[in-house]
Amino acid sequence: SYELTQPPSVSVSPGQTARITCSGDALPKKYAYWYQQKSGQAPVLVIYEDNKRPSGIPERFSGSSSGTMATLTISGAQVEDEADYYCYSTDRSGDHRVFGGGTKLTVL
Amino acid sequence: QVQLVESGGGVVQPGRSLRLSCAASGFTFSSHGMHWVRQAPGKGLEWVAVIWFDGSNKYYADSVKGRFTISRDNSKNTLYLQMNSLRAEDTAVYYCAREANIEVAGLGLDYWGQGTLVTVSS
Repeated sequence: SYELTQPPSVSVSPGQTARITCSGDALPKKYAYWYQQKSGQAPVLVIYEDNKRPSGIPERFSGSSSGTMATLTISGAQVEDEADYYCYSTDRSGDHRVFGGGTKLTVL
Repeated sequence: QVQLVESGGGVVQPGRSLRLSCAASGFTFSSHGMHWVRQAPGKGLEWVAVIWFDGSNKYYADSVKGRFTISRDNSKNTLYLQMNSLRAEDTAVYYCAREANIEVAGLGLDYWGQGTLVTVSS
């Protein structure tokens, strides 16, 4: 079955830029989405279709995709951005969805 | 406002069945694809199943295919997940989630319930 691969953890100091990567063979042809999940809460969509921000998501969140890798960038990370981040996409058929394994972002 | 409220979770023995429900309100339920996503304790998110807005198509993760069935009743604004032959590894919080209007957020899941815990244990 199709898989998306993320690093288990990323750590930055407040104000620095955090980059979280997601690799998958179908990403050249399929969009990547990113979700933020804080402890004990439901996930929140922060990026859709590689690089678009839903309404209400701060501008410091951005996304990009090139080849088999998608990247979530948090410019000027804040303490409140500390959370687990998951990439999400579809397999080549477009019918089945998949989440990456998740990346724990630490901001301190 | 959009609300998704899951119910039906609980403790069940291995091999038994359970049906989850997700009551939707605050939007036109029949216009949106709907998903189930689960999260085992301390683990990451796992996509489980999707059903199209009209119920015409359904797709499942390999881990549940043949055991779980997703369905919906658009007249009741309710999504279901019938889970049969449950295993210990099915223990998780189960979330229902709405697929956005494609022009708003592509295929993103823009609203989620708070989840219902399913524990499979003897």
